[in-house]
Amino acid sequence: DTGVSQDPRHKITKRGQNVTFRCDPISEHNRLYWYRQTLGQGPEFLTYFQNEAQLEKSRLLSDRFSAERPKGSFSTLEIQRTEQGDSAMYLCASSGESRGLSEQFFGPGTRLTVL
Amino acid sequence: AQTVTQSQPEMSVQEAETVTLSCTYDTSESDYYLFWYKQPPSRQMILVIRQEAYKQQNATENRFSVNFQKAAKSFSLKISDSQLGDAAMYFCAYRRGGGSQGNLIFGKGTKLSVKP
Repeated sequence: DTGVSQDPRHKITKRGQNVTFRCDPISEHNRLYWYRQTLGQGPEFLTYFQNEAQLEKSRLLSDRFSAERPKGSFSTLEIQRTEQGDSAMYLCASSGESRGLSEQFFGPGTRLTVL
Repeated sequence: AQTVTQSQPEMSVQEAETVTLSCTYDTSESDYYLFWYKQPPSRQMILVIRQEAYKQQNATENRFSVNFQKAAKSFSLKISDSQLGDAAMYFCAYRRGGGSQGNLIFGKGTKLSVKP
């Protein structure tokens, strides 16, 4: 399978704990995006990378959130001191370098539940 | 700031019939792209159809077509000959144009049910 993969698929944690999610994009894609989706809502943008550079961050990305893409391949999203409001589906997407219209391919998501 | 509005939280269609999902957006930019994504239950989001704002011709992909009204900032999705596998959440999304390849801005979605 050469699609976008995310790990873990589900994570249950207690409030105050740190969690880290991983995203592996499609291999030739240089852009990688993180979104958050809560129940009944559309995905909301968190941050995006072009290669290893983090080019844009949403105001939703508080200082408890940090994302990295150290070698321009996989990416990690860490949430420190989790809160119940962090419970959501975290989606990763990737897209390739091309002119004009470029499709974002989504992974299956990591569902986070904070107790 | 750009916004995307989907005013129909839920829609229902009979198998083999046609259904139209509505989407409006707000932007001051002239160069942008519009998308419809499908998210089946417990499955990942996939692209259904896309439209460049500078193209007047409406995009079509098999049973899926759009009605793009740029002046009205409207971008509806028509699904013809609906099938049971079309049941899903459908999200309308906007992305600014240029070379930025930036993030998508999504609406809240429309849940489509298909009745056999």
